[in-house]
This record gives sequence, structure tokens and C-alpha cells, in this order.
Amino acid sequence: AQKVTQAQTEISVVEKEDVTLDCVYETRDTTYYLFWYKQPPSGELVFLIRRNSFDEQNEISGRYSWNFQKSTSSFNFTITASQVVDSAVYFCALSDTGGFKTIFGAGTRLFVKA
Amino acid sequence: ETGVTQTPRHLVMGMTNKKSLKCEQHLGHNAMYWYKQSAKKPLELMFVYNFKEQTENNSVPSRFSPECPNSSHLFLHLHTLQPEDSALYLCASSQDYGPQETQYFGPGTRLLVL
Repeated sequence: AQKVTQAQTEISVVEKEDVTLDCVYETRDTTYYLFWYKQPPSGELVFLIRRNSFDEQNEISGRYSWNFQKSTSSFNFTITASQVVDSAVYFCALSDTGGFKTIFGAGTRLFVKA
Repeated sequence: ETGVTQTPRHLVMGMTNKKSLKCEQHLGHNAMYWYKQSAKKPLELMFVYNFKEQTENNSVPSRFSPECPNSSHLFLHLHTLQPEDSALYLCASSQDYGPQETQYFGPGTRLLVL
């Protein structure tokens, strides 16, 4: 069965600090896809990244970076030099070929204080 | 308009009312989704339409009735709702239906049932 765990419910940091959001997933499939979304107060989920199970290369996009480790079933997200505009709820999600449905974690609410 | 739009953005209704939520996507996608986001719960997939055909009904109560007249429009008809149905209802679309597809979300309709 699919499962996504985001153990951190809320994180509070001061601007310019680095912060890592954890995501641990479970799936029996060898082919699967992982996603991160950002949900600002306006409500809309904004797509950040998609990674497939065969591509373990880490990715960096500006201040954002993602660390995918199949050995620990983790897909963690790091924001470097956080800014107030990064304050949002961040969701990790998983879909596999078994169910097609995308399963979302419970989300991590990030507060970045000025 | 670009992306995925939803109307209304906010809705208050009594338990005996009938109302409809509307979603429109301007991305040329073939699949559309309804999700429910309640406080302190992960996103719950409600319905999926692919090429106007319903492919997923995630055991949703019959008081929620979806309609997909074409690939660009999706409706959620509501009748005799309960207070526990109060939530943020999110619409999403993707190019096609499959685990590798990235879903793009609208801003949601925040529903309050009195």
C-alpha cells in the first residue's frame, strides 16, 4: 500500500536560516513518482518538482534542493536562506503504477519570521 | 485566464441548499480531479475524469455529484450537505491520467455548511 509520512507538522525558522522538510514514503512498486507542492495562504497548490524512482540524482533549483534516497525511502526538501515568502504548507506526494492515485502527505507548515 | 480557475472562491450554504462548484482549466489537459481538503486531514481524492469519462470515485457520498461536460470544465453539484462537509474543495488537471502526470491545481472553493 502507498503511504507518505511528513513527520514535521510545523516548523518555524528565522529568515535566512536553512530548513529541511522531511518526507518518507512507502510503496511496493519499483516504478513510482514523487512530488512536492507548496500551498500558500491563498490555497492553490503550486507544483515544485517531480522525480521518478529511476532517477536518484539530487536537484537544485535556486534556493530549493531535493535529496532523493531510495535506500531510506526519503525525498527531503531543503530551502536555503529562507525568506518570509516561503511561509506556506508544503506537501510531499507519491503515485505508483499500482493505483494511479496520488497520495499526499499531511503537509508541513513552515513559518519564516522576519 | 490561465491555468486552473475555480468559482466561487467562497460559499456558505445551509444543509437543505443545492449549489454547484465550477472548475475550468485553460491548459489543454485531458484529465481533471476533485479533491477535498479538511482541517488536519490529508488531501482526499474524490473524483477523476479522463477524456470526460469518470475513472475514479473514491467512495464519495451521493450528496456530491460530479459532472464533466468536456475536458475543460468540471462541476461538483452539492445537495443536502452536512456540516462535516465544510472544507476547501480543490480542482486539478493533468495532461493525461497516469502516475507520472503532474497535477496543476486551482485556488479552491472554501465551503462552509451551516
